[in-house]
Amino acid sequence: DAGVIQSPRHEVTEMGQEVTLRCKPISGHNSLFWYRQTMMRGLELLIYFNNNVPIDDSGMPEDRFSAKMPNASFSTLKIQPSEPRDSAVYFCASRGQGAGEQYFGPGTRLTVT
Amino acid sequence: AQSVTQPDIHITVSEGASLELRCNYSYGATPYLFWYVQSPGQGLQLLLKYFSGDTLVQGIKGFEAEFKRSQSSFNLRKPSVHWSDAAEYFCAVGRGGGADGLTFGKGTHLIIQP
Repeated sequence: DAGVIQSPRHEVTEMGQEVTLRCKPISGHNSLFWYRQTMMRGLELLIYFNNNVPIDDSGMPEDRFSAKMPNASFSTLKIQPSEPRDSAVYFCASRGQGAGEQYFGPGTRLTVT
Repeated sequence: AQSVTQPDIHITVSEGASLELRCNYSYGATPYLFWYVQSPGQGLQLLLKYFSGDTLVQGIKGFEAEFKRSQSSFNLRKPSVHWSDAAEYFCAVGRGGGADGLTFGKGTHLIIQP
C-alpha cells in the first residue's frame, strides 16, 4: 500500500489567497483526520471524519477553514482567505475500523506570506 | 479533557547509552496510548501502542514502553541508542480508543552525541 498521500508537499501563497490541501487515505480505512503542527501549539486535531461524515470539527480554528470528504478515497482542507498565522505543517491521517493507530501522511508545509 | 505532558523538551544521549523519554497523561477512562517518532521533514511513524493487557509493550526499532496507571505515565525506553534515533518523539492519548482523534504532547527532541 502507498500509505496516506498528501498534496502538495509544499505550498507558498500570499495572504488572502485560497489554499486547498488534499489527502488520499489508505484504501479500506474508514476514518480520516486532519492535524496542524506549529512550533507554538504542537500537533492539534482540526477535524475528523468517519465513513466520510464529519464527526468533530471543534478544532477548526476559524470559519476560514473548511474540510470535505466527498468519497472514501479523498479529502480536502481549504483555507479561504489565508493569513500568515496559518503557516504550519498540515498532516492527514487515516485509521481502519477496529484498529487504534492512525497512519500519517508526509504532511503539507504551508507558508503564507 | 485529556492532556499529555512530555516534561523534557530536549534530551541529549551518547550513542550506545540507554534512553528514557517521559510521558504523563490525563484521561478520565482507560487510556489508549501511543508513541510516534518524527524525523526532520517527515510524517509521524508509530513506534508502539498500548490498549490493554501487558503493561510493558514492545515496538519497532528496539523501543519499549511501560504503562503505569498509578503514575499516569507511559515512558518510552531503549537500552542502546543509535545515531539514527535522533528525531522528535511524541506521546499521544487516543480519545475514544483513538477513534476520535489523538491528543499529543509537545514532543521531546532527541539528540545523539557520537
